[in-house]
Amino acid sequence: SYVLTQPPSVSVAPGQTARITCGGNNIGSKSVHWYQQKPGQAPVLVVYDDSDRPSGIPERFSGSNSGNTATLTISRVEAGDEADYYCQVWDSSSDHPGVFGTGTKVTVL
Amino acid sequence: EVQLVESGGGLVQPGGSLRLSCAASGFTFSSYEMNWVRQAPGKGLEWVSYISSSGSTIYYADSVKGRFTISRDNAKNSLYLQMNSLRAEDTAVYYCAASGYDWWFDPWGQGTLVTVSS
Repeated sequence: SYVLTQPPSVSVAPGQTARITCGGNNIGSKSVHWYQQKPGQAPVLVVYDDSDRPSGIPERFSGSNSGNTATLTISRVEAGDEADYYCQVWDSSSDHPGVFGTGTKVTVL
Repeated sequence: EVQLVESGGGLVQPGGSLRLSCAASGFTFSSYEMNWVRQAPGKGLEWVSYISSSGSTIYYADSVKGRFTISRDNAKNSLYLQMNSLRAEDTAVYYCAASGYDWWFDPWGQGTLVTVSS
């Protein structure tokens, strides 16, 4: 089955840029979606189709995807961005197609 | 307002059964594919099951295949997850989520906690 690997944690100072990677075999050929989850809350979609933002998501959130790595970038990080972030793909070649990454805890210093 | 509300969680003994429900409102439920996603305490997200808008196509994670059954009633705007032969490792918050056209999950419900323990 398809595996998505994320770093367990990323630390960033306020105002700086956080980059969260999501590694998978030829992930550049798939559409990658990103979720933010704060403690005790349901996940929220922050980027879909590699780099598009749902309405209401700040432009500070952006995404890219190429080769074996997708990246979620959070610019001008704020304290409120502290959360867990998950990447996700749909592996259409599988009979269990839903795949989430291992998750990354973003800490704002 | 688009909303998904799960219910049916609770404490169940190992080997027992539970049926989760997800009530949808604010959108045309019958046009959307739906999923169940779970999160064990302190762990990451795990996709559990998918059902197409008509109910004709269904997928399961290997961890629940043969024990869980997903279904839907479009007339009642509701999604279900019948969970049998429950194990301690099924303990988790269970979320329902709609699928976007390129297989993203949005929106999500608030989740319902299932605890499997004796």
